[in-house]
Amino acid sequence: AQSVAQPEDQVNVAEGNPLTVKCTYSVSGNPYLFWYVQYPNRGLQFLLKYITGDNLVKGSYGFEAEFNKSQTSFHLKKPSALVSDSALYFCAVRDRENSGYALNFGKGTSLLVTP
Amino acid sequence: GAGVSQSPSNKVTEKGKDVELRCDPISGHTALYWYRQSLGQGLEFLIYFQGNSAPDKSGLPSDRFSAERTGGSVSTLTIQRTQQEDSAVYLCASSLTGSQTGELFFGEGSRLTVL
Repeated sequence: AQSVAQPEDQVNVAEGNPLTVKCTYSVSGNPYLFWYVQYPNRGLQFLLKYITGDNLVKGSYGFEAEFNKSQTSFHLKKPSALVSDSALYFCAVRDRENSGYALNFGKGTSLLVTP
Repeated sequence: GAGVSQSPSNKVTEKGKDVELRCDPISGHTALYWYRQSLGQGLEFLIYFQGNSAPDKSGLPSDRFSAERTGGSVSTLTIQRTQQEDSAVYLCASSLTGSQTGELFFGEGSRLTVL
């Protein structure tokens, strides 16, 4: 079985401050990990993914995420938040060895960046 | 446009009626997914199509739900005898191939309200 947990329903950050959106995963094998963002009344957009190799992955709009196998985490980070980063963020996982083709998503974390 | 197109964008129906939701994937994408997004529930996988292979229907919540994909392109999700708990945003996504590492491209969704 594969699953993702996003422990925070909402994260509030002041503009210019660093932001972290947390994600932990559970798979029986090795994971492929993804982050997506959903702006209001829009579909989800791909941000970044971890497949293999370097644990620090860089993606769109200045976001990055660090794969930590021992902590089974894949937290999303950005050094300096923008008001325009306010959106709903989803972490997703596929089990490399044991899943079908479904990408399992977390429940989402709402990020609010205030001026 | 070149993105995933879904119609209708909004659908209000009465309990017990049947509804059809349409998805037109990105041209050339062989993989197509349907997800359901409910408030506070994240994204729930429904069904996956890959080329001419048998679809993965493991996420369909009941036999009232069905989907087909004609000619390897357009897909229709049908919900028969709708119930109030079917109210949600139904998201379609496509991917260039069925690779486990490939990112999904999402449409803007069809919002279904069952009265």
